[in-house]
Amino acid sequence: EVQLVESGGGLVQPGGSLRLSCAASGFTFSNYWMGWVRQAPGKRLEWVAKMNQDGRAKDYVDSVKGRFTVSRDNAENSLYLQMNSLRAEDSAVYSCVRPSRSGSYDHYWGQGTLVTVSS
Amino acid sequence: DVVMTQSPLSLPVTLGQPASISCRSSQSLVDSDGNTFLTWFQQRPGQSPRRLIYMVSNRDSGVPDRFSGSGSGTDFTLKVSRVEAEDVGVYYCMQGAHWPWTFGQGTKVEIK
Repeated sequence: EVQLVESGGGLVQPGGSLRLSCAASGFTFSNYWMGWVRQAPGKRLEWVAKMNQDGRAKDYVDSVKGRFTVSRDNAENSLYLQMNSLRAEDSAVYSCVRPSRSGSYDHYWGQGTLVTVSS
Repeated sequence: DVVMTQSPLSLPVTLGQPASISCRSSQSLVDSDGNTFLTWFQQRPGQSPRRLIYMVSNRDSGVPDRFSGSGSGTDFTLKVSRVEAEDVGVYYCMQGAHWPWTFGQGTKVEIK
Protein backbone atom coordinates (compact mmCIF):
# COMPACT_ATOMS: atom_id res chain seq x y z
CA GLU A 1 0.00 0.00 0.00
CA VAL A 2 1.35 3.39 -1.01
CA GLN A 3 1.78 5.76 1.94
CA LEU A 4 3.00 9.34 2.05
CA VAL A 5 3.40 10.74 5.55
CA GLU A 6 4.29 14.38 6.05
CA SER A 7 5.86 15.94 9.12
CA GLY A 8 7.57 19.14 10.16
CA GLY A 9 4.71 21.61 10.08
CA GLY A 10 4.03 24.07 12.85
CA LEU A 11 3.85 27.70 13.88
CA VAL A 12 6.66 29.97 12.70
CA GLN A 13 7.16 33.71 12.72
CA PRO A 14 7.30 35.70 9.49
CA GLY A 15 10.79 35.53 8.07
CA GLY A 16 11.43 32.19 9.74
CA SER A 17 12.19 28.76 8.31
CA LEU A 18 10.71 25.29 8.39
CA ARG A 19 11.68 21.99 6.82
CA LEU A 20 8.92 19.63 5.82
CA SER A 21 9.55 15.93 5.36
CA CYS A 22 7.60 13.24 3.55
CA ALA A 23 8.23 9.59 4.29
CA ALA A 24 7.21 7.38 1.38
CA SER A 25 6.50 3.66 1.48
CA GLY A 26 4.79 0.98 -0.53
CA PHE A 27 6.50 1.77 -3.83
CA THR A 28 9.97 2.19 -5.33
CA PHE A 29 10.45 5.85 -4.42
CA SER A 30 13.41 6.43 -6.70
CA ASN A 31 11.31 5.65 -9.79
CA TYR A 32 8.86 8.54 -9.45
CA TRP A 33 8.53 12.27 -9.73
CA MET A 34 7.42 13.76 -6.40
CA GLY A 35 6.03 17.11 -5.37
CA TRP A 36 4.34 19.38 -2.85
CA VAL A 37 0.87 20.88 -3.07
CA ARG A 38 -0.56 23.35 -0.57
CA GLN A 39 -3.98 24.68 0.28
CA ALA A 40 -4.48 27.82 2.30
CA PRO A 41 -7.81 28.33 4.11
CA GLY A 42 -10.47 29.36 1.62
CA LYS A 43 -8.07 29.16 -1.29
CA ARG A 44 -7.68 26.70 -4.11
CA LEU A 45 -5.09 23.96 -4.19
CA GLU A 46 -1.70 25.14 -5.42
CA TRP A 47 1.29 23.21 -6.75
CA VAL A 48 4.39 24.44 -4.94
CA ALA A 49 7.21 22.35 -6.36
CA LYS A 50 8.05 19.09 -8.05
CA MET A 51 11.19 17.18 -8.81
CA ASN A 52 12.22 14.26 -10.94
CA GLN A 53 13.55 10.91 -9.92
CA ASP A 54 17.23 11.85 -9.51
CA GLY A 55 16.58 15.36 -8.24
CA ARG A 56 18.17 17.14 -11.18
CA ALA A 57 14.95 18.60 -12.56
CA LYS A 58 12.98 20.87 -10.26
CA ASP A 59 10.08 23.22 -10.85
CA TYR A 60 8.69 25.84 -8.50
CA VAL A 61 5.68 28.10 -8.55
CA ASP A 62 6.86 31.70 -8.94
CA SER A 63 5.68 32.77 -5.50
CA VAL A 64 8.20 30.49 -3.74
CA LYS A 65 11.18 30.70 -6.08
CA GLY A 66 14.33 31.69 -4.21
CA ARG A 67 12.73 30.90 -0.84
CA PHE A 68 11.75 27.22 -1.00
CA THR A 69 13.94 24.27 -1.98
CA VAL A 70 12.65 20.81 -2.78
CA SER A 71 14.99 17.86 -2.33
CA ARG A 72 14.89 14.12 -1.93
CA ASP A 73 16.89 11.26 -0.46
CA ASN A 74 16.18 8.14 -2.47
CA ALA A 75 18.11 5.96 -0.03
CA GLU A 76 15.78 7.12 2.76
CA ASN A 77 12.62 7.19 0.61
CA SER A 78 12.07 10.76 1.66
CA LEU A 79 11.07 14.06 0.09
CA TYR A 80 11.76 17.41 1.69
CA LEU A 81 10.71 21.03 1.38
CA GLN A 82 12.99 23.62 2.93
CA MET A 83 11.00 26.80 3.41
CA ASN A 84 12.87 30.03 4.18
CA SER A 85 11.78 33.66 4.50
CA LEU A 86 8.27 32.51 5.29
CA ARG A 87 5.37 34.89 4.81
CA ALA A 88 1.84 34.93 6.18
CA GLU A 89 0.58 33.93 2.74
CA ASP A 90 2.58 30.70 2.96
CA SER A 91 0.26 29.49 5.72
CA ALA A 92 -1.43 26.35 4.41
CA VAL A 93 -1.71 22.61 4.64
CA TYR A 94 1.21 21.18 2.68
CA SER A 95 0.72 17.76 1.10
CA CYS A 96 3.29 15.43 -0.38
CA VAL A 97 2.18 14.11 -3.75
CA ARG A 98 3.27 11.42 -6.16
CA PRO A 99 1.88 13.00 -9.29
CA SER A 100 0.71 11.30 -12.44
CA ARG A 101 -0.78 13.10 -15.40
CA SER A 102 -1.44 9.92 -17.35
CA GLY A 103 -2.51 6.37 -16.71
CA SER A 104 1.03 5.07 -16.44
CA TYR A 105 0.64 4.93 -12.68
CA ASP A 106 -1.64 6.17 -9.93
CA HIS A 107 -1.61 9.60 -8.38
CA TYR A 108 -1.20 9.67 -4.56
CA TRP A 109 -1.52 12.33 -1.87
CA GLY A 110 -0.44 12.41 1.74
CA GLN A 111 -2.70 13.73 4.50
CA GLY A 112 -0.78 16.96 4.81
CA THR A 113 0.96 18.99 7.50
CA LEU A 114 -0.18 22.43 8.65
CA VAL A 115 2.15 25.39 8.40
CA THR A 116 1.11 28.60 10.13
CA VAL A 117 3.16 31.75 9.65
CA SER A 118 2.20 34.31 12.25
CA SER A 119 3.73 36.57 14.85
CA ASP B 1 -0.42 30.81 -15.24
CA VAL B 2 -3.36 28.84 -16.63
CA VAL B 3 -6.54 29.74 -14.80
CA MET B 4 -8.99 26.91 -14.26
CA THR B 5 -12.60 27.96 -13.69
CA GLN B 6 -15.12 25.48 -12.34
CA SER B 7 -18.88 25.84 -12.21
CA PRO B 8 -20.97 25.54 -10.24
CA LEU B 9 -19.04 25.93 -6.98
CA SER B 10 -21.87 24.33 -5.03
CA LEU B 11 -24.00 21.50 -6.37
CA PRO B 12 -26.92 20.13 -4.32
CA VAL B 13 -28.16 16.94 -5.93
CA THR B 14 -30.87 14.39 -5.29
CA LEU B 15 -29.78 10.80 -4.78
CA GLY B 16 -30.06 8.86 -8.01
CA GLN B 17 -30.09 11.98 -10.16
CA PRO B 18 -27.34 13.07 -12.55
CA ALA B 19 -24.79 15.78 -11.83
CA SER B 20 -22.44 17.74 -14.05
CA ILE B 21 -19.44 19.96 -13.29
CA SER B 22 -17.84 22.26 -15.84
CA CYS B 23 -14.17 23.19 -15.93
CA ARG B 24 -12.76 25.78 -18.32
CA SER B 25 -9.12 26.66 -18.83
CA SER B 26 -7.70 30.02 -19.87
CA GLN B 27 -5.62 28.35 -22.57
CA SER B 28 -5.49 25.09 -24.44
CA LEU B 29 -4.43 22.04 -22.43
CA VAL B 30 -3.08 20.19 -25.47
CA ASP B 31 0.66 19.72 -25.22
CA SER B 32 3.17 19.43 -28.05
CA ASP B 33 2.60 15.67 -28.31
CA GLY B 34 -1.14 16.12 -28.73
CA ASN B 35 -1.96 14.93 -25.22
CA THR B 36 -4.54 16.77 -23.15
CA PHE B 37 -3.64 16.76 -19.48
CA LEU B 38 -6.89 17.42 -17.68
CA THR B 39 -7.47 15.53 -14.44
CA TRP B 40 -10.43 15.28 -12.08
CA PHE B 41 -10.05 14.62 -8.34
CA GLN B 42 -12.60 13.78 -5.67
CA GLN B 43 -11.97 14.80 -2.07
CA ARG B 44 -14.33 13.21 0.42
CA PRO B 45 -14.71 14.87 3.83
CA GLY B 46 -11.65 14.23 5.96
CA GLN B 47 -9.75 12.46 3.18
CA SER B 48 -6.97 13.31 0.77
CA PRO B 49 -7.91 13.88 -2.87
CA ARG B 50 -8.33 10.81 -5.03
CA ARG B 51 -7.87 10.87 -8.77
CA LEU B 52 -10.97 9.86 -10.70
CA ILE B 53 -10.22 10.77 -14.30
CA TYR B 54 -6.98 11.43 -16.17
CA MET B 55 -6.35 12.84 -19.63
CA VAL B 56 -9.92 14.13 -19.94
CA SER B 57 -11.86 10.89 -20.08
CA ASN B 58 -9.91 7.94 -18.66
CA ARG B 59 -11.28 6.51 -15.43
CA ASP B 60 -8.84 5.32 -12.81
CA SER B 61 -8.98 1.74 -11.61
CA GLY B 62 -11.75 1.24 -9.07
CA VAL B 63 -13.70 4.35 -10.08
CA PRO B 64 -17.37 3.52 -10.67
CA ASP B 65 -18.49 3.79 -14.28
CA ARG B 66 -21.14 6.32 -13.27
CA PHE B 67 -18.29 8.86 -13.42
CA SER B 68 -17.30 10.09 -16.86
CA GLY B 69 -15.15 12.87 -18.22
CA SER B 70 -15.35 14.63 -21.54
CA GLY B 71 -14.21 17.74 -23.35
CA SER B 72 -11.41 19.13 -25.43
CA GLY B 73 -9.18 22.16 -25.80
CA THR B 74 -10.33 24.47 -23.02
CA ASP B 75 -13.75 23.13 -22.08
CA PHE B 76 -14.22 20.02 -19.93
CA THR B 77 -16.99 18.28 -18.00
CA LEU B 78 -17.26 15.71 -15.25
CA LYS B 79 -20.57 13.87 -15.15
CA VAL B 80 -22.05 11.54 -12.59
CA SER B 81 -24.88 9.55 -14.10
CA ARG B 82 -26.62 8.73 -10.81
CA VAL B 83 -25.36 10.36 -7.63
CA GLU B 84 -24.87 8.12 -4.60
CA ALA B 85 -24.35 9.14 -0.97
CA GLU B 86 -20.63 8.26 -1.15
CA ASP B 87 -20.14 10.88 -3.89
CA VAL B 88 -20.45 13.75 -1.42
CA GLY B 89 -17.32 15.86 -1.34
CA VAL B 90 -15.37 18.43 -3.29
CA TYR B 91 -14.38 17.86 -6.89
CA TYR B 92 -11.38 19.56 -8.48
CA CYS B 93 -10.14 19.77 -12.02
CA MET B 94 -6.43 20.21 -12.59
CA GLN B 95 -4.40 21.01 -15.70
CA GLY B 96 -1.04 19.33 -16.11
CA ALA B 97 -0.13 20.75 -19.51
CA HIS B 98 1.66 23.91 -18.39
CA TRP B 99 3.76 24.51 -15.28
CA PRO B 100 2.70 25.48 -12.74
CA TRP B 101 -0.04 22.87 -12.86
CA THR B 102 -3.17 24.57 -11.61
CA PHE B 103 -6.47 23.60 -10.04
CA GLY B 104 -10.02 24.80 -10.28
CA GLN B 105 -11.66 26.33 -7.23
CA GLY B 106 -13.45 23.10 -6.37
CA THR B 107 -17.13 22.14 -6.59
CA LYS B 108 -18.83 21.02 -3.40
CA VAL B 109 -21.34 18.24 -4.06
CA GLU B 110 -23.93 17.65 -1.38
CA ILE B 111 -27.15 15.71 -1.15
CA LYS B 112 -30.38 17.69 -1.12
